[in-house]
Amino acid sequence: ELKVEQNPLFLSMQEGKNYTIYCNYSTTSDRLYWYRQDPGKSLESLFVLLSNGAVKQEGRLMASLDTKARLSTLHITAAVHDLSATYFCAAIQGAQKLVFGQGTRLTINP
Amino acid sequence: DVKVTQSSRYLVKRTGEKVFLECVQDMDHENMFWYRQDPGLGLRLIYFSYDVKMKEKGDIPEGYSVSREKKERFSLILESASTNQTSMYLCASSFGGAVDEQFFGPGTRLTVL
Repeated sequence: ELKVEQNPLFLSMQEGKNYTIYCNYSTTSDRLYWYRQDPGKSLESLFVLLSNGAVKQEGRLMASLDTKARLSTLHITAAVHDLSATYFCAAIQGAQKLVFGQGTRLTINP
Repeated sequence: DVKVTQSSRYLVKRTGEKVFLECVQDMDHENMFWYRQDPGLGLRLIYFSYDVKMKEKGDIPEGYSVSREKKERFSLILESASTNQTSMYLCASSFGGAVDEQFFGPGTRLTVL
């Protein structure tokens, strides 16, 4: 059974700093997804990572995938307050089923 | 833009009531999903459907059923609501294929008293 674990679960950081959220998954998975959720809102897709070594970047966020280590990372560069949100990773199990991590609540302080 | 809509943003029901949550997508997606979201547990899959009238159990189907009579609509049914079904319910849809990105609706916050 596929399990997905994120760490840290809570992260408070200052604007301008860099940090990384880690997403480990327990068994082989073909795809890895990152989502963002603002308070009271639904999930917004950020990245889809399809293969080993895949790297995607959007603004101050960069996601990467190492399928051999069963690890994906979401790196935040020079954080700004607007990036405060909860971030979820999810790995695919079988053809369509997503298994989500617990989420990382990120707070960026001025 | 893909649009996934859910019938209610907030819902309050009493224990034992039958509850219907409706989800509609407008992008002709093959797959539709129902999740519940609880603090510290992430999202957990209740049921999904890969075609009209087809359904598959997810990780936590107990106490729920689903219906998909039309491609664009996927309903979640709580036959007899209980307090432990108080949660945020999220619907999603996807086209399938190699990327198979899921698009989520706004969510329904259900409170069972």
